[in-house]
Amino acid sequence: AQSVAQPEDQVNVAEGNPLTVKCTYSVSGNPYLFWYVQYPNRGLQFLLKYITGDNLVKGSYGFEAEFNKSQTSFHLKKPSALVSDSALYFCAVSQPVMDSSYKLIFGSGTRLLVRP
Amino acid sequence: DAGVTQSPTHLIKTRGQQVTLRCSPKSGHDTVSWYQQALGQGPQFIFQYYEEEERQRGNFPDRFSGHQFPNYSSELNVNALLLGDSALYLCASSPTGIYEQFFGPGTRLTVL
Repeated sequence: AQSVAQPEDQVNVAEGNPLTVKCTYSVSGNPYLFWYVQYPNRGLQFLLKYITGDNLVKGSYGFEAEFNKSQTSFHLKKPSALVSDSALYFCAVSQPVMDSSYKLIFGSGTRLLVRP
Repeated sequence: DAGVTQSPTHLIKTRGQQVTLRCSPKSGHDTVSWYQQALGQGPQFIFQYYEEEERQRGNFPDRFSGHQFPNYSSELNVNALLLGDSALYLCASSPTGIYEQFFGPGTRLTVL
């Protein structure tokens, strides 16, 4: 069974500092990995995805993620954090449902708190 | 282009009642998935609809049922509500063959 783990419930970082939110995965076959962000009382917003290709994936709002096959990790990063980045972040893996359709398996989420 | 829309935004019910939540997918998307997000947890897959049929169901009881209409919109029905059904219910849509899913803002269901 495919699964995703986010080992940190919360990450605290000062504004302007780099941030990393960790994610590890367990899949059979090729991993299709995603990061979503959720602001209070809102749905999930797509940040970025890894399907194939470069291990460093660039996404929305200055975020990027590094795919590491040997460590089965897909950590989310940003060079300089903003207070407005404070939110709940979810890592997810895509699992086939039937031909050409997929569902997402989510981690438990990591709350990012960026202090001024 | 409107994204995924859901209605209502909030809903309060009592135990034993029934509820229907609605979702309109993003234009051009024919696949709709429903997720339940309990407080402090990641979203859990409930089921997925394509061509008006349920393709796969997650680990949810038969009290949870759904429907997809010819225009691809979808409904989630929950019968005999329990306190534990209180959650944010998220609808996601995608076109066939695409790994990525696009989420609506969710419906917050509170069961008293």
